[in-house]
Amino acid sequence: DGGITQSPKYLFRKEGQNVTLSCEQNLNHDAMYWYRQDPGQGLRLIYYSQIVNDFQKGDIAEGYSVSREKKESFPLTVTSAQKNPTAFYLCASSSLGAGAYEQYFGPGTRLTVT
Amino acid sequence: AQTVTQSQPEMSVQEAETVTLSCTYDTSESNYYLFWYKQPPSRQMILVIRQEAYKQQNATENRFSVNFQKAAKSFSLKISDSQLGDTAMYFCAFMKHGQGAQKLVFGQGTRLTINP
Repeated sequence: DGGITQSPKYLFRKEGQNVTLSCEQNLNHDAMYWYRQDPGQGLRLIYYSQIVNDFQKGDIAEGYSVSREKKESFPLTVTSAQKNPTAFYLCASSSLGAGAYEQYFGPGTRLTVT
Repeated sequence: AQTVTQSQPEMSVQEAETVTLSCTYDTSESNYYLFWYKQPPSRQMILVIRQEAYKQQNATENRFSVNFQKAAKSFSLKISDSQLGDTAMYFCAFMKHGQGAQKLVFGQGTRLTINP
């Protein structure tokens, strides 16, 4: 089945530790995205990538880092510099062909930092 | 910058009723896309319906339809014959039309409850 997988579903970390969230897609999509969702709010874009070895900051990139070494994978690292890391994180991907703009979402990772 | 506003934090209707969720947006772009996403308790984001701004005809997907008013920058979602499985958070989202990857700009969401 084609889709996007995110692991783990729940993640717990101590304050001051870096943590990496996994995102893998087998849809052969060029673009991948990371969004953050806080309670009672919509999603906000953290980072996105259109091609391997290239990525751009979104609206709330501070305290986060990403890599895109493979087309299928776009891991997100939440660093200790992120002031409020506890949130729900969603990965998405999309094709970049003409007329193809829909973003498909993974199941998300709930990160709790204490 | 684009903004999306959903003015109804929560709504509740009886099963089989029709419900309309409101969304307004602000943009200076002339060509863009609008979406309604559903997020059930599983928290999986599911695309419900999409609208291209250049199309005058309102999009329809089975029981879901939109009322797209470009001049008023309004994009409401109508759910007909509501079902218990429609219970979810609903997000309105905007995407600029352009080359390459484009971000989605989301509203705050409307929590919809369908009562038996």
